[in-house]
Amino acid sequence: GNSVTQMEGPVTLSEEAFLTINCTYTATGYPSLFWYVQYPGEGLQLLLKATKADDKGSNKGFEATYRKETTSFHLEKGSVQVSDSAVYFCALPNQAGTALIFGKGTTLSVSS
Amino acid sequence: GAGVSQSPSNKVTEKGKDVELRCDPISGHTALYWYRQRLGQGLEFLIYFQGNSAPDKSGLPSDRFSAERTGESVSTLTIQRTQQEDSAVYLCASSTLQVGHEKLFFGSGTQLSVL
Repeated sequence: GNSVTQMEGPVTLSEEAFLTINCTYTATGYPSLFWYVQYPGEGLQLLLKATKADDKGSNKGFEATYRKETTSFHLEKGSVQVSDSAVYFCALPNQAGTALIFGKGTTLSVSS
Repeated sequence: GAGVSQSPSNKVTEKGKDVELRCDPISGHTALYWYRQRLGQGLEFLIYFQGNSAPDKSGLPSDRFSAERTGESVSTLTIQRTQQEDSAVYLCASSTLQVGHEKLFFGSGTQLSVL
């Protein structure tokens, strides 16, 4: 079945540093891919998505490109802020298309 | 309220007791999902409701787990004879029929601790 693997955390960065959080997937076909974020004390929320190969999802300065050649969907941001401190989850649909399968989450801590 | 509401936010119970967790989805959202997140693990899909269709129960880990939803409103997740391995954060999410899993709205979860 479909599955997703994301890099283990925690990731600790200084403000304005470059961020990459790796995510690779295994899937039948080419499903949509997602990044969700959970800020402290809040529920998970959709950060960005890409619906087909070579698509780039972007939001709040974050980007991720759907790469079918490497089955990857890495999350990047050029200059992180303290307010980006959160847990980030990579996700894709299950084979039935009824729900999302999530990675284990990567905790990002940004210090000023 | 505007978002998905879950209650209680925290629940401590003794091994062997039954617990009920509640989820109030966003009004008008026909799809409702339950997930479990154990410490250090990803979100584990439990069950999916879509309107009046038969639920997808494929993620329920054992027959001690069950969930109900009345129409398109509140859902209750019940865990019978709780075990220590049931300790986790239980998350509820909802979405519209049109969007489905493309955009899930999550509640803040119920932290369940089984002693």
